[in-house]
Amino acid sequence: NAGVTQTPKFQVLKTGQSMTLQCAQDMNHEYMSWYRQDPGMGLRLIHYSVGAGITDQGEVPNGYNVSRSTTEDFPLRLLSAAPSQTSVYFCASSYGGGGAKGYTFGSGTRLTVV
Amino acid sequence: TQLLEQSPQFLSIQEGENLTVYCNSSSVFSSLQWYRQEPGEGPVLLVTVVTGGEVKKLKRLTFQFGDARKDSSLHITAAQPGDTGLYLCASLGTSGTYKYIFGTGTRLKVLA
Repeated sequence: NAGVTQTPKFQVLKTGQSMTLQCAQDMNHEYMSWYRQDPGMGLRLIHYSVGAGITDQGEVPNGYNVSRSTTEDFPLRLLSAAPSQTSVYFCASSYGGGGAKGYTFGSGTRLTVV
Repeated sequence: TQLLEQSPQFLSIQEGENLTVYCNSSSVFSSLQWYRQEPGEGPVLLVTVVTGGEVKKLKRLTFQFGDARKDSSLHITAAQPGDTGLYLCASLGTSGTYKYIFGTGTRLKVLA
């Protein structure tokens, strides 16, 4: 059972470039979320989805887009990378109650924007 | 926006000592989860508490949910170096949204 798979694990971008962080889960979870974690800090919610075709903004959505065409996949797009987006990005999924039973996390993507 | 405040922010203790970390909010939690995160990894769920006054135990870890469901604590007995990590509380936001938010975190280091 793979759980939540994130790719790539590491990425370096130049300012202004765009890219997509991939996230896939094989647990048939309805709820999926993207978080960023800056050094020494907790996790901040970027975007989340309550099911295929339904997404909404989190606490820090600016500069990011998401889509949810299938239950399994929830990619995060950086439109025009900025140094302030240097961070570790985590994707997570949950099976019920919008996360009221807790989330399962991927191992993260470490992004550096130069 | 619901905020989850954790204290202390940092904690460095000797092996064998006891410790307590706290998670507080001005809002009432529907439920609350505690996670532990190790360097280079995603957070791992430890426990969910739902009922006011609830106490759950996981080996040397004791989790308590406040009677009013606005605060929670994590107590570790006889800490070991393997307990080192970032401890995070998390909960669904209020106002009927599905925003699942995390506390500010407590970074624990247990010295051998």
